[in-house]
Amino acid sequence: GAVVSQHPSRVICKSGTSVKIECRSLDFQATTMFWYRQFPKQSLMLMATSNEGSKATYEQGVEKDKFLINHASLTLSTLTVTSAHPEDSSFYICSARDRSVGTVGMNEKLFFGSGTQLSVL
Amino acid sequence: GESVGLHLPTLSVQEGDNSIINCAYSNSASDYFIWYKQESGKGPQFIIDIRSNMDKRQGQRVTVLLNKTVKHLSLQIAATQPGDSAVYFCAEKNGTDKLIFGTGTRLQVFP
Repeated sequence: GAVVSQHPSRVICKSGTSVKIECRSLDFQATTMFWYRQFPKQSLMLMATSNEGSKATYEQGVEKDKFLINHASLTLSTLTVTSAHPEDSSFYICSARDRSVGTVGMNEKLFFGSGTQLSVL
Repeated sequence: GESVGLHLPTLSVQEGDNSIINCAYSNSASDYFIWYKQESGKGPQFIIDIRSNMDKRQGQRVTVLLNKTVKHLSLQIAATQPGDSAVYFCAEKNGTDKLIFGTGTRLQVFP
């Protein structure tokens, strides 16, 4: 099946530094990728939709200048948490849709990365 | 039994029993629903999906039921195994690209 690789799996950084998280679709092209944030014992909250070759669409309440998203190719989207603070500590997860599967019928599955645990000291 | 934790409700079942995990969705315009399984420290894993023009769909050991009248979705797991222990999320889609996740239920399977 389709594989989405997310890197790094875990990062610890000092307050004020920036952290970049990569999301790659390994065996399919993803024109759209999604970034989620998940706090402990809570659900996944959609942060933004990343479209290849265009600006990301952010959900209400998500600061676009703090969470920079770049989707420069059909297989790679990056999320940069700029000037990270302890309240940004969370589990960040990306997902991608395999457009080749098509939207006819049942299969509109998103494939998820394994997540990145960010801890800001 | 079922209990409500600090954030996630928890369902505890005996190995071999059937599990039923429930989900209430919010948007009557949602037309596509998915159940995901998430193990600790990992991303969600697709289990089964269903469109709004269906009431029931079966997979291997899992069944999803959809009641559009009351906006309710359920996931039934037959012969629950210890490896089924995880957090289960329902997610809904309403014709846009976005997938909105529900609260989640922790399933604990005891031997």
